[in-house]
Amino acid sequence: QVQLQESGPGLLKPSQTLSLTCTVSGDSIYSGRYYWTWIRQAAGKGLEWIGHIQNSGATNYNPSLKSRVSMSLETSKSHFSLNLMSVTAADTAVYYCAREERTGYSHGLDYWGQGALVTVSS
Amino acid sequence: QSVLTQPPSASGTPGQRVTISCSGSSSNIGSNHVSWYQQLPGTAPDLLIYRNNQRPSGVPARFSGSKSGTSASLAISGLRSEDEADYYCATWDDSLNGPLVFGGGTKLTVL
Repeated sequence: QVQLQESGPGLLKPSQTLSLTCTVSGDSIYSGRYYWTWIRQAAGKGLEWIGHIQNSGATNYNPSLKSRVSMSLETSKSHFSLNLMSVTAADTAVYYCAREERTGYSHGLDYWGQGALVTVSS
Repeated sequence: QSVLTQPPSASGTPGQRVTISCSGSSSNIGSNHVSWYQQLPGTAPDLLIYRNNQRPSGVPARFSGSKSGTSASLAISGLRSEDEADYYCATWDDSLNGPLVFGGGTKLTVL
């Protein structure tokens, strides 16, 4: 059974860097079939795609966040990470990691973590 | 303001069939596959439909998806109380350098 679990600080001050890790179990993070994805959801709001990273290290970020976002993959530790710089209150949200399978076409985001609440407050 | 437009709410009675629409443009729905997600209160979203009309294993056949032109729809037949949730459509947008875009979500109430 594939499981994803987010971890990281839950409270940040404005201008700090948000750092979250997603640990993957039950499947190989090395596989080129998967795009490892971050999505966030502010309270009472919809879903916002942050970006994804492939096993090759190739990334694709949401243009609205691109200047502040970076992602990395640690295959030896079966986890991938998100860094979001210079956070403000607008970055307060539940952050989800998820897996997208692609074999010629997208199979959708089929596994999700339970989500990690990150609050930005002075 | 979401790139994909969904009605904010929908409702139905048990046993009924309801549909949720998702409207986009030629650069997103018109040229890419659509997926649908169900989010129960306080939980992470679950994949319901991918590639417009494909159901992952374990998703009941009561859930079906379709796409025509720049719009997509999710249909739920034999509505049950446990279907009360938020539903989101998603697809890729070629005009914005390829981000995954979501609809604003539709809150389904089972009366």
